[in-house]
Amino acid sequence: AQSVSQHNHHVILSEAASLELGCNYSYGGTVNLFWYVQYPGQHLQLLLKYFSGDPLVKGIKGFEAEFIKSKFSFNLRKPSVQWSDTAEYFCAVMSGTGGFKTIFGAGTRLFVKA
Amino acid sequence: GAVVSQHPSWVICKSGTSVKIECRSLDFQATTMFWYRQFPKQSLMLMATSNEGSKATYEQGVEKDKFLINHASLTLSTLTVTSAHPEDSSFYICSARDRRAGTGNYGYTFGSGTRLTVV
Repeated sequence: AQSVSQHNHHVILSEAASLELGCNYSYGGTVNLFWYVQYPGQHLQLLLKYFSGDPLVKGIKGFEAEFIKSKFSFNLRKPSVQWSDTAEYFCAVMSGTGGFKTIFGAGTRLFVKA
Repeated sequence: GAVVSQHPSWVICKSGTSVKIECRSLDFQATTMFWYRQFPKQSLMLMATSNEGSKATYEQGVEKDKFLINHASLTLSTLTVTSAHPEDSSFYICSARDRRAGTGNYGYTFGSGTRLTVV
């Protein structure tokens, strides 16, 4: 069965610090990978996604993620965070052979200090 | 872009009553809709997958007689929590797959969620 592991449950950073959130998945076949963000009081929004091609994916708001197939990882990065990046971030995996179900990681709560 | 309207956004009901949550795809046809539940400080847990015109597929541990899912049209799926109890209080979110998405490039759009409180 597929599973998604996010290493950090809570992260606190100061503004302008660099961010890297870890995500590992377990599934041997072809996968589609996503990062979603949920701002306080708002619904999920897609940050970026990987389907194929360049393993370095650029998303909205300056976020990027790198798919490393050999490590089953899809870490999210941002060079310089802002206070407005305070939110919960979810890594998600979907396999084409699993009925297209999307499995979510437990989430990482990011708090950026102004 | 694709929009999924979820209604109601917030509902309080008495224990033992039933609550219906609707998800509508406003500008696209959704062949598949997913229903998730999110408990406080936890991730989204997939409850069931519904395909238009067929029975929903429930994840292990989800009671299909308690969480009734109907996907009668390509733009509407409903989740009915029957005989709700306080432990059913949660945040329920739907997600729709755009029928136009081609192989290998699936578009998913989430509804805004429904916060259910059972008292």
